[in-house]
Amino acid sequence: KQEVTQIPAALSVPEGENLVLNCSFTDSAIYNLQWFRQDPGKGLTSLLLIQSSQREQTSGRLNASLDKSSGRSTLYIAASQPGDSATYLCAVRNNAGNMLTFGGGTRLMVKP
Amino acid sequence: DTGVSQDPRHKITKRGQNVTFRCDPISEHNRLYWYRQTLGQGPEFLTYFQNEAQLEKSRLLSDRFSAERPKGSFSTLEIQRTEQGDSAMYLCASSFGGITEAFFGQGTRLTVV
Repeated sequence: KQEVTQIPAALSVPEGENLVLNCSFTDSAIYNLQWFRQDPGKGLTSLLLIQSSQREQTSGRLNASLDKSSGRSTLYIAASQPGDSATYLCAVRNNAGNMLTFGGGTRLMVKP
Repeated sequence: DTGVSQDPRHKITKRGQNVTFRCDPISEHNRLYWYRQTLGQGPEFLTYFQNEAQLEKSRLLSDRFSAERPKGSFSTLEIQRTEQGDSAMYLCASSFGGITEAFFGQGTRLTVV
């Protein structure tokens, strides 16, 4: 059974810092990995999708990497802003199934 | 089409009542998923449809839960005889095929009192 873990559970940084969020998964047989952002009481906004054959994806100040063999992904946020404050979730889609398995999320606060 | 739409956004119900939620996916998406999220946790898979066929159900989906997707368009999730433990955010997502990007709606927040 796939298990996804996100560390740290919460993170507080001053504005302008570069930061890294971590995601690990136990079963490396995945189709893809997706990073989401969730604001309090809201749904999920897709940030980046990395296919299993890819090593990284970039969108603006966000860069996500994938090391499938070691079961790890990182989300790098450059020059953080208060508007980046949210919960960040990673999710993997297994070869054997069709659902996404989510980690517990990292709650990020960027202080002005 | 602006994305996945869910209705209602919030629902407060008394224990024992039945509730029904609706999800309208992105129009060209053939896959539709339901997830449940409790406070401070990541979403957990409940069930998914490919077109009108319900292909998989989680063990979390007890007999009190039923989902439909008539004609492969919108979907409904019904919870019968609600319990306080059903209080959660119910999220709907859609995608084209099983390996493309999944898009989520804003969710329905259910509170059972």
